[in-house]
Amino acid sequence: GESVGLHLPTLSVQEGDNSIINCAYSNSASDYFIWYKQESGKGPQFIIDIRSNMDKRQGQRVTVLLNKTVKHLSLQIAATQPGDSAVYFCAENLAPRGGTSYGKLTFGQGTILTVHP
Amino acid sequence: NAGVTQTPKFQVLKTGQSMTLQCAQDMNHNSMYWYRQDPGMGLRLIYYSASEGTTDKGEVPNGYNVSRLNKREFSLRLESAAPSQTSVYFCASSVEQGTEAFFGQGTRLTVV
Repeated sequence: GESVGLHLPTLSVQEGDNSIINCAYSNSASDYFIWYKQESGKGPQFIIDIRSNMDKRQGQRVTVLLNKTVKHLSLQIAATQPGDSAVYFCAENLAPRGGTSYGKLTFGQGTILTVHP
Repeated sequence: NAGVTQTPKFQVLKTGQSMTLQCAQDMNHNSMYWYRQDPGMGLRLIYYSASEGTTDKGEVPNGYNVSRLNKREFSLRLESAAPSQTSVYFCASSVEQGTEAFFGQGTRLTVV
């Protein structure tokens, strides 16, 4: 089965609200996580990443939180805008025992974010 | 800077036909990947190439072959297309394994 999954398949918010998209992962040895945004008809676009030696990382209007204890990842989008409407994927970089990175990203199913004006 | 370029953007094949999906990147990346995306699902890795001259199977390699032609180009071949291969195919590249991957715009393939 999927080693990375999302708690909510859809999320609807009002413009200006903060959005939180969640992701669970099952491989405790994973060492790198990425959030991607995919707009209709386009390829995934990098938003932000985080390595397993960090708990939090901030970008422009986005924050990723990593809780290794419960194997949970979240993406927070501040002041959500209509242009943020898209499908959001978390991706996990699986690391085998021994720690060498495979470099093969495993993607979750995605969350559809809809922002209403 | 074009990034990752895939051709064609759309293709319709009959069952049993063969075709090659082309991918090129101009970012001097070492690693390249082919994914497929089915409706309502995330991306699944078909094959990847960690560096020029090497290729490895991903999660769903059956029915596909790949060629890392040079550092820039990584092609995906369907020898005998099946309806189950109807999907959107994405090529991606990264500086090295375990780093951010950049994606192309996708190839929408329909096998009838």
